[in-house]
Amino acid sequence: AQKITQTQPGMFVQEKEAVTLDCTYDTSDQSYGLFWYKQPSSGEMIFLIYQGSYDEQNATEGRYSLNFQKARKSANLVISASQLGDSAMYFCAMREAPNFGNEKLTFGTGTRLTIIP
Amino acid sequence: DGGITQSPKYLFRKEGQNVTLSCEQNLNHDAMYWYRQDPGQGLRLIYYSQIVNDFQKGDIAEGYSVSREKKESFPLTVTSAQKNPTAFYLCASSTTWTERNSPLHFGNGTRLTVT
Repeated sequence: AQKITQTQPGMFVQEKEAVTLDCTYDTSDQSYGLFWYKQPSSGEMIFLIYQGSYDEQNATEGRYSLNFQKARKSANLVISASQLGDSAMYFCAMREAPNFGNEKLTFGTGTRLTIIP
Repeated sequence: DGGITQSPKYLFRKEGQNVTLSCEQNLNHDAMYWYRQDPGQGLRLIYYSQIVNDFQKGDIAEGYSVSREKKESFPLTVTSAQKNPTAFYLCASSTTWTERNSPLHFGNGTRLTVT
């Protein structure tokens, strides 16, 4: 079974509109972390936002916010007022530690976001 | 400035040859990781190391080897046993693995082409 599922392979959004990128996850661990990364065409991976499984508030970082629904195992990324520079691949990832000292970060397959002027 | 350096950016090799990808970090991070990315795909974990002189296999370790002799360095060798080595390889590091909110910091990647 997939640990991280991103069901939108590609999205096109008009500039200045808000966009939601979907992410669902699967874990039996009680303590875990969820991350979103942006990958422009240059290939670098840019960390955007983090949500801990015990965090009561949804994480926010500037124009990025995370809509965390723990019961649904959902961690959607919301980008407000999209800009042309937001065009990139976006990856959702989960960090869990089923065994002590054996953590790793698992990535979804990504969503390619294209902002239309 | 602190960061992760991967070299070279582009690498070309003939089939049957081993090749080593370099990854150096000056962030004083304990943990280091190697990921592979194929076109249009997510990242898949090859190997990771939480501490010097120790490393663990990831999801796709077959045909790869690593070493962690120094905290700053985590080289990846793609051996001739790797059946489909052409890919984009990303190295990453993070602070102590007990800090779950610690994001991975990535290098700029090495694009390996084997013909």
